[in-house]
Amino acid sequence: GAVVSQHPSWVICKSGTSVKIECRSLDFQATTMFWYRQFPKQSLMLMATSNEGSKATYEQGVEKDKFLINHASLTLSTLTVTSAHPEDSSFYICSARGAGEFNEQFFGPGTRLTVL
Amino acid sequence: GQNIDQPTEMTATEGAIVQINCTYQTSGFNGLFWYQQHAGEAPTFLSYNVLDGLEEKGRFSSFLSRSKGYSYLLLKELQMKDSASYLCAVMDSNYQLIWGAGTKLIIKP
Repeated sequence: GAVVSQHPSWVICKSGTSVKIECRSLDFQATTMFWYRQFPKQSLMLMATSNEGSKATYEQGVEKDKFLINHASLTLSTLTVTSAHPEDSSFYICSARGAGEFNEQFFGPGTRLTVL
Repeated sequence: GQNIDQPTEMTATEGAIVQINCTYQTSGFNGLFWYQQHAGEAPTFLSYNVLDGLEEKGRFSSFLSRSKGYSYLLLKELQMKDSASYLCAVMDSNYQLIWGAGTKLIIKP
């Protein structure tokens, strides 16, 4: 099956620093990648949708200047949380679409971010 | 507005059968997905329905009625490892996934 990797798996940083999370589709070219955030015991919240070579489309309420998304190739998308604060602590999950029979999304393993 | 409803939590016994329901109201319909998510992990794809009827895949089956805006996920011969959250998601007319809040399934011995 299609495999999506995410790096790092977890990160702890100080308030005010920036953190970059990478999402890679390992065995397929992802036409579209998605970034989600999930707080404990809550459902997935879509942050943004990115297509290779174009600007990401952000969901309402998500600050595009704070959550920078770059989708430079068909296999790599990055999310940078700029000037992170404790309230940004969450589980960030990427997914990719492009390999599935049903146009389904394949999820990366997620990145747990803790901002001190 | 767009809305996906599913029960918050369900409890079942090992070896039994459980049915998790999902009702939806969306702008258009391009299919319904079920995902499984274990605590602390990312979701994994279980099933996809776009036509009415039942899709069977091993111990898991998924049913869709488009006229009723209704789907269910049926899990048979429950095992302890089936304890997880089950997410219902509908792909709308813009091919965006609208996610339900998930149903936490607790399996008891």
